Amino acid sequence: GENVEQHPSTLSVQEGDSAVIKCTYSDSASNYFPWYKQELGKGPQLIIDIRSNVGEKKDQRIAVTLNKTAKHFSLHITETQPEDSAVYFCAASIMDSSYKLIFGSGTRLLVRP
Amino acid sequence: EAQVTQNPRYLITVTGKKLTVTCSQNMNHEYMSWYRQDPGLGLRQIYYSMNVEVTDKGDVPEGYKVSRKEKRNFPLILESPSPNQTSLYFCASNRVGGGQPQHFGDGTRLSIL
Repeated sequence: GENVEQHPSTLSVQEGDSAVIKCTYSDSASNYFPWYKQELGKGPQLIIDIRSNVGEKKDQRIAVTLNKTAKHFSLHITETQPEDSAVYFCAASIMDSSYKLIFGSGTRLLVRP
Repeated sequence: EAQVTQNPRYLITVTGKKLTVTCSQNMNHEYMSWYRQDPGLGLRQIYYSMNVEVTDKGDVPEGYKVSRKEKRNFPLILESPSPNQTSLYFCASNRVGGGQPQHFGDGTRLSIL
C-alpha cells in the first residue's frame, strides 16, 4: 500500500525566513497531494493541494511543488510569521478511486519572532 | 457555518466500558472517515463510509465499530475499550469526486485507564 514519508520532523526558523517541508510517496498511482496545518487543540485544516497534472501551485506565501518522476512533493512557506507555527502534514491519495488519505508523520514548525 | 462536530472533546474512562464518540457534519457530504492520531505516526484511518449504510475498514479497524444510518452522522463505537486505544481521534468528511478536500473536526482525546 501507499506509504508517505515526511521530513523534517521539527523545523525552527527565524521570522521572515523561508521554510521547506518535504514528502515522498511510494504509490505511483497517487494523484492528489494535500497539505494540512494543525494548530494546538484543532483538527487539521487544508492549506493547499496539488494534483498530479500540475508541477507547482502557489497561494500567496505558500507554494507546493510536485516531482512525479521522483515521487516527492514539497511545501514552501516564504516570509514566515509567528502564526505559521503549527504542525504540518502532507498526504497522498488516489482521486476518484479511493478518498483515503495517507498522511506523513508531521512536521512541527516553530517560527521565532 | 460549515463544520464537522465531534463529541465529547475529552473523555477519560476505564478498560471495558463501552463508549461512543459522535460525529456530525452539516455539509451534506457523502464521504465520512475516522482517524486516530498518535505521536510520530501521523493520522491513520480507522473506518470510512462512502454513503448511508456503506462502511468499510481503514488501516487500523481492530477494536472499533461504526455505523452510518443517516448521511450527517458517523459515530465511532468502542465496544470494549483498551489502553492501546488511548489516542486523539478525528472525524472528517468530504464530497466525492475530483479530489474534494476533507474537512476535519476538532478532535476527541480519549484516555483509557
